Amino acid sequence: AQTVTQSQPEMSVQEAETVTLSCTYDTSESDYYLFWYKQPPSRQMILVIRQEAYKQQNATENRFSVNFQKAAKSFSLKISDSQLGDAAMYFCAYRVTYNAGNMLTFGGGTRLMVKP
Amino acid sequence: GAGVSQSPRYKVAKRGQDVALRCDPISGHVSLFWYQQALGQGPEFLTYFQNEAQLDKSGLPSDRFFAERPEGSVSTLKIQRTQQEDSAVYLCASSLVGTGRWAGELFFGEGSRLTVL
Repeated sequence: AQTVTQSQPEMSVQEAETVTLSCTYDTSESDYYLFWYKQPPSRQMILVIRQEAYKQQNATENRFSVNFQKAAKSFSLKISDSQLGDAAMYFCAYRVTYNAGNMLTFGGGTRLMVKP
Repeated sequence: GAGVSQSPRYKVAKRGQDVALRCDPISGHVSLFWYQQALGQGPEFLTYFQNEAQLDKSGLPSDRFFAERPEGSVSTLKIQRTQQEDSAVYLCASSLVGTGRWAGELFFGEGSRLTVL
């Protein structure tokens, strides 16, 4: 079974600074997707960024980028120029590609606090 | 509406009561998922529908949990004889396509918070 581990229950960053959230996963598959989701206090889960395992290039979405290390099974999220609105729970998630649906396996989450 | 809608947002039940949680996915979305999110934890998969067919229910924790999507749109998650350990946020999510390598982005609702006393 696949597992996703987020070892940082809480992280704190100063506004405008950079923060990195860690994620490791365990799988025997070679083709899969990795995701970072943001869950603000309103609870609606929002997709932040997606990485396809067969792509070596790290995904980037504006201030959000990932460091994908396939051999190490590591998938960290870097948030640059942190803003107050970035404060939320962040979940790392995994999905195999052959799945007929979108069944995601989530990590336990990291609570990000942004200090003004 | 434009997004995934869930109701009720909050539900308090006495132990032993039955509850029903409703999910209105985005119109036209083929796939629908239910997740259970305990306090302070990540969501855990419960069940998956492709149109009206329930293709995976491996995550349902017991036979007290039942989900349906009879016409391939609205879905209901029913929990019979609720127990305190059922207290959680129940998230519904939908995606446009049901098959294929990517299978589309998953859109989540705001969830239904169930508290069992």
